[in-house]
Amino acid sequence: ELKVEQNPLFLSMQEGKNYTIYCNYSTTSDRLYWYRQDPGKSLESLFVLLSNGAVKQEGRLMASLDTKARLSTLHITAAVHDLSATYFCAVVNTGNQFYFGTGTSLTVIP
Amino acid sequence: KAGVTQTPRYLIKTRGQQVTLSCSPISGHRSVSWYQQTPGQGLQFLFEYFSETQRNKGNFPGRFSGRQFSNSRSEMNVSTLELGDSALYLCASSLEATSTDTQYFGPGTRLTVL
Repeated sequence: ELKVEQNPLFLSMQEGKNYTIYCNYSTTSDRLYWYRQDPGKSLESLFVLLSNGAVKQEGRLMASLDTKARLSTLHITAAVHDLSATYFCAVVNTGNQFYFGTGTSLTVIP
Repeated sequence: KAGVTQTPRYLIKTRGQQVTLSCSPISGHRSVSWYQQTPGQGLQFLFEYFSETQRNKGNFPGRFSGRQFSNSRSEMNVSTLELGDSALYLCASSLEATSTDTQYFGPGTRLTVL
């Protein structure tokens, strides 16, 4: 079964700082997703990464995918309080089943 | 454009009962996926429907089933409820295929099994 690990699980960072969330997965996949979830709310799709070397950016968030290393990163630039949320990555196996990471709870401190 | 809607938003059932949850996708979207979210197991994929056909299925017992209607609305059913079925059930819709299209999530149905 495909395993997806995220780290860190919890992240507290000051406004204006940069940080990276890591998503490792155990078997081959060429599709990876990033989602955001605010407390008590539903999921919001952030990025879909479809190929090795894919990079996508939206505002202060940038996601990348290295399929050879089975690694995706979500980089946060100059964090602001509005980015406080839980971030999930998800990987799709050859059977088109989604496997989610444990989530990274991000708190941005003023 | 209306978003994904799920009904009911909250539900309380007792063990052994069955429950049906409903999801109305964004107009024009043909793919609907269902997910279960619990504190212990995290987010897990249940199944995906496209044009009334179940296209993918996660690792859940047969008590969990679903269907999709010709208007793309989807329902999921859980029979013989267990305490462990207490969770937030999310549905998501996308235009064509979940593999490449952006998914839009509904607010979820919070099911509590007593």
